[in-house]
Amino acid sequence: AQSVTQPDIHITVSEGASLELRCNYSYGATPYLFWYVQSPGQGLQLLLKYFSGDTLVQGIKGFEAEFKRSQSSFNLRKPSVHWSDAAEYFCAVAARGYQKVTFGTGTKLQVIP
Amino acid sequence: EAGVAQSPRYKIIEKRQSVAFWCNPISGHATLYWYQQILGQGPKLLIQFQNNGVVDDSQLPKDRFSAERLKGVDSTLKIQPAKLEDSAVYLCASSLATSAGTDTQYFGPGTRLTVL
Repeated sequence: AQSVTQPDIHITVSEGASLELRCNYSYGATPYLFWYVQSPGQGLQLLLKYFSGDTLVQGIKGFEAEFKRSQSSFNLRKPSVHWSDAAEYFCAVAARGYQKVTFGTGTKLQVIP
Repeated sequence: EAGVAQSPRYKIIEKRQSVAFWCNPISGHATLYWYQQILGQGPKLLIQFQNNGVVDDSQLPKDRFSAERLKGVDSTLKIQPAKLEDSAVYLCASSLATSAGTDTQYFGPGTRLTVL
């Protein structure tokens, strides 16, 4: 069964600084990979997804993620963080051909002025 | 386009009581999911419907949880009787189900359940 590890529970960055959130997955083949964001009191919103092709994926709100098969990683990046990016971020994985999505435990992002 | 609707947004009950949550997916979405998100954890799939049939309920505690999706649209998730460990946010999501494994899931705002 697939699994996802997000090693950082909490990250604090200054507004305008760059951001990288780590995600490692465990799956026997190349999975589908996702990043979701959850603001307080809100449901999850899809930031981006990787299915195949270019390993650098562009998403909404200026986020991007890079799939690295050799490292089993799918890290999320943003060159310049805005205060409105403060939220919790979830990495998720799904087996190909199957809809079940397994979520990581999340990384809470705090943005300081 | 209206999003996924859930009600109630908050519910407080005592243990051993029963509770029900309602979800209305995005119009035309064939697949509906219920997730449980315990504080500090990622969402965990409880049950997945395709139209009004169950696709996956392997992680649903069937001795106390039940769910139905009548007519393949709205869905209700019930807990009876509730336990303290059921305190969580219950998220509903829906997707088009155009092809397996490629659908984007759209989430509702969730129902926060507190069991005292």
